[in-house]
Amino acid sequence: EVQLVESGGGLVQPGRSLKLSCAASGFTFSDYNMAWVRQAPTKGLEWVASISYGGSNTHYGDSVKGRFTISRDNAKSTLYLQMDSLRSEDTATYYCARHHNNYYFDYWGQGVMVTVSS
Amino acid sequence: DIQMTQSPASLSASLEEIVTITCQASQDIGNYLSWYQQKPGKSPQLLIHSATSLADGVPSRFSGSRSGTQYSLKINRLQVEDTGIYYCLQHYSAPLTFGSGTKLEIK
Repeated sequence: EVQLVESGGGLVQPGRSLKLSCAASGFTFSDYNMAWVRQAPTKGLEWVASISYGGSNTHYGDSVKGRFTISRDNAKSTLYLQMDSLRSEDTATYYCARHHNNYYFDYWGQGVMVTVSS
Repeated sequence: DIQMTQSPASLSASLEEIVTITCQASQDIGNYLSWYQQKPGKSPQLLIHSATSLADGVPSRFSGSRSGTQYSLKINRLQVEDTGIYYCLQHYSAPLTFGSGTKLEIK
């Protein structure tokens, strides 16, 4: 059974940093591109970033480019999102998601909440 | 960036009714379109991929179609458990973009 379990969320002050993790199991992690998608309270879904299966290629949404870094450790089957220079508008539930080979998201984690506030 | 215009924003329908949700892409995205259902407090779940293909385990009353750059999700014989918010997603090119969502309620 495919499982994606996010962790690392919490309350953080504006301008500070936070690192999210997503532990994957039930599939060969190194075979799949992965992504982060977020959802602000009462709002819709927003793609944040994606990373290729080997980690060499990354893509970012315009709202996080230059501030967030997606990475992975295939030996640990874990996906990361390093979030720097956090802003109040980054407050959201962050989901880890697996890309199918055709790039849609076939599995999602349960989400982790990040609140940016002083 | 590719814009996905989703309609309606909300929808109220009766049990057993047929409902249709649409997404209009701002440019050609081929069949790189998927649909997701999100129930309150839960993560999104894949319903349809490649515009018309039903995801594993999804009831056959859900179907997807495409006409040019307009994509539709149809739900036949609406059930209580179909309540939720539905999103389309274009995965043709980065940045990946979602529609704004359709909130479906049962009368």
